[in-house]
Amino acid sequence: ELKVEQNPLFLSMQEGKNYTIYCNYSTTSDRLYWYRQDPGKSLESLFVLLSNGAVKQEGRLMASLDTKARLSTLHITAAVHDLSATYFCAVAAKTSYDKVIFGPGTSLSVIP
Amino acid sequence: DVKVTQSSRYLVKRTGEKVFLECVQDMDHENMFWYRQDPGLGLRLIYFSYDVKMKEKGDIPEGYSVSREKKERFSLILESASTNQTSMYLCASSFYATGELFFGEGSRLTVL
Repeated sequence: ELKVEQNPLFLSMQEGKNYTIYCNYSTTSDRLYWYRQDPGKSLESLFVLLSNGAVKQEGRLMASLDTKARLSTLHITAAVHDLSATYFCAVAAKTSYDKVIFGPGTSLSVIP
Repeated sequence: DVKVTQSSRYLVKRTGEKVFLECVQDMDHENMFWYRQDPGLGLRLIYFSYDVKMKEKGDIPEGYSVSREKKERFSLILESASTNQTSMYLCASSFYATGELFFGEGSRLTVL
């Protein structure tokens, strides 16, 4: 059964600092997704990682995937307040690409 | 832009009532999903569908059923609502090729 873990679950960081959110998963997969959720809103797609070694960057966020380690990272560079949100990683089960399981989410708060 | 529309943003129902939550997508996606989101529990997959009339159980299907009679529409049915089904319900759709989920705005259901 596919399990997805994230750490940390809560993160408070100062503006201008760098930090990394980690996503581990329990079974083989080469499809991993990162989503952002603002309070009271639905989820917005950030990154789609579809192969080992994939790296995607958008603004101050960079995501990578290591399928051998079953690990993805979301790196935040020089954080700004607008990045405050909850970040979810999600993994598609290798046995069925249709089944996508989410991690518990990382609640990020960027403080001045 | 992909649009996933959920029929109701807010519903209040009584215990034992039958509840229909409807979701429509306009991008000809093969896959459609229903998740529920609860504080501290993240997003949990209820059911998903990979084709018309085809469905598979997610991690928490008990107390729910689904219907997909047309490719663009995926309905979640609570045959007899219970208070523990009070939650935010999120519908999503995706192309099989990438698996990237696109979410609707969510339906907040309260069962009294």
